[in-house]
Amino acid sequence: EDQVTQSPEALRLQEGESSSLNCSYTVSGLRGLFWYRQDPGKGPEFLFTLYSAGEEKEKERLKATLTKKESFLHITAPKPEDSATYLCAVQAGGGTSYGKLTFGQGTILTVHP
Amino acid sequence: DTEVTQTPKHLVMGMTNKKSLKCEQHMGHRAMYWYKQKAKKPPELMFVYSYEKLSINESVPSRFSPECPNSSLLNLHLHALQPEDSALYLCASSHREGDEKLFFGSGTQLSVL
Repeated sequence: EDQVTQSPEALRLQEGESSSLNCSYTVSGLRGLFWYRQDPGKGPEFLFTLYSAGEEKEKERLKATLTKKESFLHITAPKPEDSATYLCAVQAGGGTSYGKLTFGQGTILTVHP
Repeated sequence: DTEVTQTPKHLVMGMTNKKSLKCEQHMGHRAMYWYKQKAKKPPELMFVYSYEKLSINESVPSRFSPECPNSSLLNLHLHALQPEDSALYLCASSHREGDEKLFFGSGTQLSVL
């Protein structure tokens, strides 16, 4: 069974204090790993897709990296507007779960001014 | 247009009511999804439509009835719901079923009294 575990559950940072969010996964043949951002009462917003170990993607203050067992979302010099829940999801490439997204529980990020 | 539009944004209904949630996209996507999200939990897949045909039903109770009238529209008909069905209902679309990038709507916050 595909599994995604995110840590920490919640993270409080001061503005400008860089940190990383972790996403550990177990999946039968990874097709892709996805990062989404979700604001309260809104739908998830797509951030990145990573396909293979060693791949990196960047967008503004965010950088996502991927290994064979986990992904990190690095946040450099965060601002209060980066406060949100960050969801990690994996897409399996084989078996009965082909194409289905499995989400982690999310990390609630709060950035204080 | 890269939006998925959901209506209504909020819905309060009694356990004997019948109501419908609506979702619309004009990106030419041929896969559309319904997800259910409880507070502080990740989205859970309910249904997938591919080319207007039901492709996946994740063992959802029959009090939830999906409908895909055409490639741009997706409905979720609700009848005889229970208070535990209260949640944020999210619609999403992608180019094809199994495509990695989902576009989510803002959701309908449903309360069942």
